Amino acid sequence: DAKTTQPPSMDCAEGRAANLPCNHSTISGNEYVYWYRQIHSQGPQYIIHGLKNNETNEMASLIITEDRKSSTLILPHATLRDTAVYYCIVRPFGGGADGLTFGKGTHLIIQP
Amino acid sequence: DTAVSQTPKYLVTQMGNDKSIKCEQNLGHDTMYWYKQDSKKFLKIMFSYNNKELIINETVPNRFSPKSPDKAHLNLHINSLELGDSAVYFCASEREGGDEQFFGPGTRLTVL
Repeated sequence: DAKTTQPPSMDCAEGRAANLPCNHSTISGNEYVYWYRQIHSQGPQYIIHGLKNNETNEMASLIITEDRKSSTLILPHATLRDTAVYYCIVRPFGGGADGLTFGKGTHLIIQP
Repeated sequence: DTAVSQTPKYLVTQMGNDKSIKCEQNLGHDTMYWYKQDSKKFLKIMFSYNNKELIINETVPNRFSPKSPDKAHLNLHINSLELGDSAVYFCASEREGGDEQFFGPGTRLTVL
């Protein structure tokens, strides 16, 4: 079972920042927070991951609270192409044999 | 070049038949996975495999078997197909100790 909880859906206006929350209150010390997204009918796509420090890449920023019990994925300037289901996943780094355990995710809808 | 490819993209077949789905990755990754996404859009890990071990999700019927002719391929064989096997199947790969899984485009299996 997924160790994360996310709101089932969110709306965001195009051009605005989309902030997607995730709770992972039972995260273990060796587990990282990963974010993936699935655009309709496509395979999931990796976005970003982090352990305890905030992370940023060309796609998004990840803010992890100091107690590591929750995090927020930020898409700084959302576009229509960012409409997708976003999954927050906790997993040991280099989990290898352990596949990804997907929850229900958040369906983010970017409004024009 | 596509990093992770699957064939066929669509597969329609009758109950009781045996079918295979092929997966190839050209990333040089060590670990490959199969996931199933059902009609309610839940994504679940089925298998993970590298040259050392096969990990099988305990909920997967033994009618499903992964076969790896070489490091770049992990094919999924399904015997005696049932209506409930209808789903989208995704292949993925990851380098050992890596931080990101790459997914294929999916194979939509319909069992009539």
